Amino acid sequence: DTGVSQDPRHKITKRGQNVTFRCDPISEHNRLYWYRQTLGQGPEFLTYFQNEAQLEKSRLLSDRFSAERPKGSFSTLEIQRTEQGDSAMYLCASSFSGHYGYTFGSGTRLTVV
Amino acid sequence: LAKTTQPISMDSYEGQEVNITCSHNNIATNDYITWYQQFPSQGPRFIIQGYKTKVTNEVASLFIPADRKSSTLSLPRVSLSDTAVYYCLVGDTEDDKIIFGKGTRLHILP
Repeated sequence: DTGVSQDPRHKITKRGQNVTFRCDPISEHNRLYWYRQTLGQGPEFLTYFQNEAQLEKSRLLSDRFSAERPKGSFSTLEIQRTEQGDSAMYLCASSFSGHYGYTFGSGTRLTVV
Repeated sequence: LAKTTQPISMDSYEGQEVNITCSHNNIATNDYITWYQQFPSQGPRFIIQGYKTKVTNEVASLFIPADRKSSTLSLPRVSLSDTAVYYCLVGDTEDDKIIFGKGTRLHILP
């Protein structure tokens, strides 16, 4: 297992288009998290899963964002009708529940033009 | 989740020991102190976690005084590759999620 993988690493899209990102966590980890990070800021929590159940979603997350983890393994994050303000690094992390050490992927950098 | 306060930025030179202090006055009994390191264009990386006194690993040491209201991350003999953002986090290992602040931007000079 090589850690948390995210695909793609970079995505450039036109405003109004839909985009989907994929995260493959460490296989033994039952928790999966999505964060968003903009320049000069720390990562901002978006949502997390325990196995296939989405247990929390940030109030800051608009209805244009949706995440799934269908079989409790990989996860997808979709952004519909992208806006320029969605431009950011989208980070995925995984962990064992109750363990504080998260393993992050390298992120997907989204640029909306 | 206890709030943390850490310096926005620090500069140091290669070969020096760097100490980054984090304040967490409202730390709860069950809370641990965790530090992450983040290089540009990468996700944060867990570097050390502790509850009290001192913890040391191959990367850093973490010093926690008896009152646990602050902690100090110590990086021995830094190199240019230690230039990164360092985040101090406080929380219970049973917490649903971790919340990041802005971190400390450490810049190592030659």
